[in-house]
Amino acid sequence: DVKVTQSSRYLVKRTGEKVFLECVQDMDHENMFWYRQDPGLGLRLIYFSYDVKMKEKGDIPEGYSVSREKKERFSLILESASTNQTSMYLCASSSDRGFYEQYFGPGTRLTVT
Amino acid sequence: AQKVTQAQTEISVVEKEDVTLDCVYETRDTTYYLFWYKQPPSGELVFLIRRNSFDEQNEISGRYSWNFQKSTSSFNFTITASQVVDSAVYFCALRRVNQGGKLIFGQGTELSVKP
Repeated sequence: DVKVTQSSRYLVKRTGEKVFLECVQDMDHENMFWYRQDPGLGLRLIYFSYDVKMKEKGDIPEGYSVSREKKERFSLILESASTNQTSMYLCASSSDRGFYEQYFGPGTRLTVT
Repeated sequence: AQKVTQAQTEISVVEKEDVTLDCVYETRDTTYYLFWYKQPPSGELVFLIRRNSFDEQNEISGRYSWNFQKSTSSFNFTITASQVVDSAVYFCALRRVNQGGKLIFGQGTELSVKP
């Protein structure tokens, strides 16, 4: 089975802190994604990566950056956390072959105070 | 424009009722892929089914069934004899062929199954 893990289920940070959210997948998938999910807004794509050291902006990249140094790991970075970044963050991965269905991690609920 | 619409924001049923979740998509592509995901209260999105645009055959998996109709651009999901464990948010998603792995998600339908 595909397994996508995220470093924390719950995280509380203060405004202005630098925040790292880590995601690891064990299926040798080429593509990895970061979403945020907010009530009434559905899932919004922040960034995605289709290869090591490659990244592309999604729909809402402002205030975020990403890093992919190894194929299995994709990090989301909040350079200076703000209260409007309080959200559920979901990581996903998919293969470059077949239907490309995405497999999701359990999510990190981030609260910025 | 590519778009997925799930018009039903919330649905509430009593256990053992059948329920259909609607999904309507927009795309100009001739080749595309459709997906359904389930998000239980625990938060993790679980992949349920995938379909490509050339396969309009309906699919049944236990109490779940999917009806794909290109003529109406719909990919509806039916749960037969619903159970409390079916309570979740369900998302429909679309992938374009030339967009790599990117998915376009609908807003989701929150299903509540009461005992």
